[in-house]
Amino acid sequence: DIVMTQSPDSLAVSLGERATINCKSSQSVLHSSNNRNYLAWYQQKAGQPPKLLIYWASTRESGVPDRFSGSGSGTDFTLTISSLQAEDVAVYYCQQYYSTAVTFGGGTKVEIK
Amino acid sequence: EVQLVESGGGLVQPGGSLRLSCAASGFTFSSNAMSWVRQAPGKGLEWVSAISHSGGTTDYADSVKGRFTISRDNSKNTLFLQMNSLRADDTAKYYCAKGFRAAAPLYFDSWGQGTLVTVSS
Repeated sequence: DIVMTQSPDSLAVSLGERATINCKSSQSVLHSSNNRNYLAWYQQKAGQPPKLLIYWASTRESGVPDRFSGSGSGTDFTLTISSLQAEDVAVYYCQQYYSTAVTFGGGTKVEIK
Repeated sequence: EVQLVESGGGLVQPGGSLRLSCAASGFTFSSNAMSWVRQAPGKGLEWVSAISHSGGTTDYADSVKGRFTISRDNSKNTLFLQMNSLRADDTAKYYCAKGFRAAAPLYFDSWGQGTLVTVSS
């Protein structure tokens, strides 16, 4: 299975500041047939199911604020929240869907400093 | 609006069985692959199983292979997960998740609220 490793495990950021979450895959999730990275990001707030934020590594899901952005390729990816808002407090997960046995990162907890 | 409503969770003894259901609405159920994803208390997300739009292809995590069976009834817009030989480490909230296309591999663009399965004597 492809192992997804997120860092840091948690971070505290001041309101309005940038939050950066990293995700590394144990093998490339870039598909040569279409040059797409099979990588998604989710947000999970306390007591709620996950919510899709980003897919194909950098495409924002409809309705997701543009302060959320995804970048990276191959094995190294980043989710950036450009200006942290109070409602962004949550755990964030990356997920590869390159292989049928999809796998998730361990999660990164984002809090307000 | 897409709605996924899970049911069937509860307390079961080790070695027992449980059948989860997920009632889907708000989209053409027969067009999308579906999955079950679980989350143990205080832990991260773990993919469990996936089924193609027609039900013709199924996939399982190694941790549940041979014990769990995923199925779907497209005439009733319902997804199922039959869980046998349950173990304590199967304790988790089980989410029904809608895949973005007809077959795996998938990312998930809608999730249900989940149903809690507790395996304990």
